[in-house]
Amino acid sequence: GAGVSQSPSNKVTEKGKDVELRCDPISGHTALYWYRQRLGQGLEFLIYFQGNSAPDKSGLPSDRFSAERTGESVSTLTIQRTQQEDSAVYLCASTEQASGSADTQYFGPGTRLTVL
Amino acid sequence: AQTVTQSQPEMSVQEAETVTLSCTYDTSENNYYLFWYKQPPSRQMILVIRQEAYKQQNATENRFSVNFQKAAKSFSLKISDSQLGDTAMYFCAFTHLPNQLIWGAGTKLIIKP
Repeated sequence: GAGVSQSPSNKVTEKGKDVELRCDPISGHTALYWYRQRLGQGLEFLIYFQGNSAPDKSGLPSDRFSAERTGESVSTLTIQRTQQEDSAVYLCASTEQASGSADTQYFGPGTRLTVL
Repeated sequence: AQTVTQSQPEMSVQEAETVTLSCTYDTSENNYYLFWYKQPPSRQMILVIRQEAYKQQNATENRFSVNFQKAAKSFSLKISDSQLGDTAMYFCAFTHLPNQLIWGAGTKLIIKP
């Protein structure tokens, strides 16, 4: 596609429910990243995919958070048993090359998650 | 630990003026990359400019330029002839391979007509 897309744009859920956030990276980009951005703050790294593998999961805040990537394309970030502190914008980014370079990350518009 | 600090939470200038946003970082690495990203109200994070630490020459992109001081671990962004469309949050970011960006808290820049 022309850019990174994310869906849904906004998600409102009740505390305790599970949510799935989707990211479609730029076609051909091998690396994919998830970040969390709390209101008025910078980005927190969550997880990084190289192809379908996740060599770096160090940023996942708890075992309620998980992510997968299939076909070296779409990625899904799942948050189980959501809590109010999970409310944030979740941003996805992709880059062309494998780790070993510092290619520019291209970002999607994010999903704003609100947990009531 | 590697950290990025942006000491100016908010700045405002008149249209056509020049503004400088500051960024300092802390790392023990010698080879790394620095970035300035812009985030308008649309939430889309857009790359403004990047700098490789091994390059002594400061990066420039049209009205945007950086002042990279490696010894001081400083990476400021200068916006010349500011325009209304420059109004946004600006984030400084750092990466040492692998490709995990470490972000500052951001500076809100307002360009006044």
